[in-house]
Amino acid sequence: GDSVTQMEGPVTLSEEAFLTINCTYTATGYPSLFWYVQYPGEGLQLLLKATKADDKGSNKGFEATYRKETTSFHLEKGSVQVSDSAVYFCALSDRGGGYQKVTFGTGTKLQVIP
Amino acid sequence: GAGVSQSPSNKVTEKGKDVELRCDPISGHTALYWYRQSLGQGLEFLIYFQGNSAPDKSGLPSDRFSAERTGGSVSTLTIQRTQQEDSAVYLCASSQGQNSYEQYFGPGTRLTVT
Repeated sequence: GDSVTQMEGPVTLSEEAFLTINCTYTATGYPSLFWYVQYPGEGLQLLLKATKADDKGSNKGFEATYRKETTSFHLEKGSVQVSDSAVYFCALSDRGGGYQKVTFGTGTKLQVIP
Repeated sequence: GAGVSQSPSNKVTEKGKDVELRCDPISGHTALYWYRQSLGQGLEFLIYFQGNSAPDKSGLPSDRFSAERTGGSVSTLTIQRTQQEDSAVYLCASSQGQNSYEQYFGPGTRLTVT
């Protein structure tokens, strides 16, 4: 079955540091890939997506590139801010069972300190 | 409504009691999903609705868990004879349809079983 593996947290960075959160996946088909973010006390929000190989998703300074050869979708940001502190979930969507089923990773907590 | 809403936001119950959790999806979204988020476990898929029917119930952990959806809108997740291991945040999400991979999440219901 489909699965998503992402680096364990928590990740603690100083403001303006470079961020990488690794994510790899296993899927039988040709999935779409996502990063969701969950700010404290809020529901998950879609941060960015990529629907095919070599696509780059980007939003709010975050980027991730769909690498089919390495089955990866690592999240990066060049300069993090305190407001980026949240839990980040890597996910994939594959059309299994007749609908777009989304499989999530376990989440990586990011804490940015001033 | 503007987004997915869930109620209650917090629920504390005694072991053995039944609980009902409610989800109001975004108006017009035909697909609805329930997930469970346990500490350190990521998001665990529970059930998927398309309209009022549930083509995928594969994630329900036991027969104590059931869900229904009426009028293609509101959904209720019921847990009977709650156990301490049921303590978690229960998240609801909706999407435009079975072919849509972008899910919109509610803020969740935090269930604590004492």
